[in-house]
Amino acid sequence: ETGVTQSPTHLIKTRGQQVTLRCSSQSGHNTVSWYQQALGQGPQFIFQYYREEENGRGNFPPRFSGLQFPNYSSELNVNALELDDSALYLCASSLGRQGPEQFFGPGTRLTVL
Amino acid sequence: SQQGEEDPQALSIQEGENATMNCSYKTSINNLQWYRQNSGRGLVHLILIRSNEREKHSGRLRVTLDTSKKSSSLLITASRAADTASYFCATTLGSYNTDKLIFGTGTRLQVFP
Repeated sequence: ETGVTQSPTHLIKTRGQQVTLRCSSQSGHNTVSWYQQALGQGPQFIFQYYREEENGRGNFPPRFSGLQFPNYSSELNVNALELDDSALYLCASSLGRQGPEQFFGPGTRLTVL
Repeated sequence: SQQGEEDPQALSIQEGENATMNCSYKTSINNLQWYRQNSGRGLVHLILIRSNEREKHSGRLRVTLDTSKKSSSLLITASRAADTASYFCATTLGSYNTDKLIFGTGTRLQVFP
């Protein structure tokens, strides 16, 4: 157990809808990264938040957005869902400037119909 | 895009045998990590090796890194059924956990009792 929690566990949406995924980081961690993992693939970096500011973004369109709150928990929002957004969404927390290991939550499985 | 590729894509062995999986990457790195993922759930950090290291051990795990060939290998000795999982290598370009992880495509390991 890493102490990183994500909600919900599973989610089914239809194309065009919007979704919000949530992540609570491990106690004391101030950095949260989000990854998208399609079936049979490795995780792909979406973006990272460090002390409530976006700190890097991968090759994802603007309809993927996020937030980090003062308690360092985080949200990933996806607008105008597409079928290809169906994936496992993983968040990972870490303590800024303390080394490259990241601690992953169990993920949210999103299915877009 | 994926930074690395794991080889083989899938591996099946008997309990007690050793499992070796390889990772190749494209760009210069600062460190390389190996993660395990059980049944499409969250990833668990296994071991980290820095670019100035050539070999590292942790319990039944042995990792090597050859920066001239841009490749790494993970050896699991005396495998157990509980080692059944997908294994991913991940690289970072910097030293801090505020750097994104760039994952490979993964090796699916099945260990038969």
